[in-house]
Amino acid sequence: AQTVTQSQPEMSVQEAETVTLSCTYDTSESDYYLFWYKQPPSRQMILVIRQEAYKQQNATENRFSVNFQKAAKSFSLKISDSQLGDAAMYFCACYSGGGADGLTFGKGTHLIIQP
Amino acid sequence: DTGVSQNPRHKITKRGQNVTFRCDPISEHNRLYWYRQTLGQGPEFLTYFQNEAQLEKSRLLSDRFSAERPKGSFSTLEIQRTEQGDSAMYLCASSLRTSGNTIYFGEGSWLTVV
Repeated sequence: AQTVTQSQPEMSVQEAETVTLSCTYDTSESDYYLFWYKQPPSRQMILVIRQEAYKQQNATENRFSVNFQKAAKSFSLKISDSQLGDAAMYFCACYSGGGADGLTFGKGTHLIIQP
Repeated sequence: DTGVSQNPRHKITKRGQNVTFRCDPISEHNRLYWYRQTLGQGPEFLTYFQNEAQLEKSRLLSDRFSAERPKGSFSTLEIQRTEQGDSAMYLCASSLRTSGNTIYFGEGSWLTVV
């Protein structure tokens, strides 16, 4: 079984500032993928960024980047130049294959953007 | 690529009634997942198909829940004799093995049992 822990139920950041959301995970698999999903009030789960565990280089997507620390099993998300549209629930997830342990989510972090 | 489509988007039903949700995955995606999400929680896995074969069901899934994917394309999730505890959002997702395991989600189907 795998677990994903997000220890920050809520975070707040001023518009245009930078914020980091924390995530730790645990899996017995050697081959796995890590994701951050965004869920705005519309409720659709939108993929923000993904990281293959075998890659040492941290993934980046425009204003979004991750800090992947494999030994520490840590996978944090950094959002630069925060925008009002970034306000949402953010879920960290770990994927190690199909099935019940295929994609496991954390409980989420509610990100508030202060104008 | 039209994305993962789910319907109905919202369903209100009386306790004891049966409900059915439909999911149309991204074309050619061979994997299809159903998740359930309650307020304040992350999605929880329910069941998973590879093509038309249902490969796994969560132990959390009672026998009132059944899912099918008859031709390996769209899928249905039926809940029989609904209970108030079934009120949740039901998310469908799909992926293609060669896409690096990225799973794409639909907009979800809200179920309210009164």
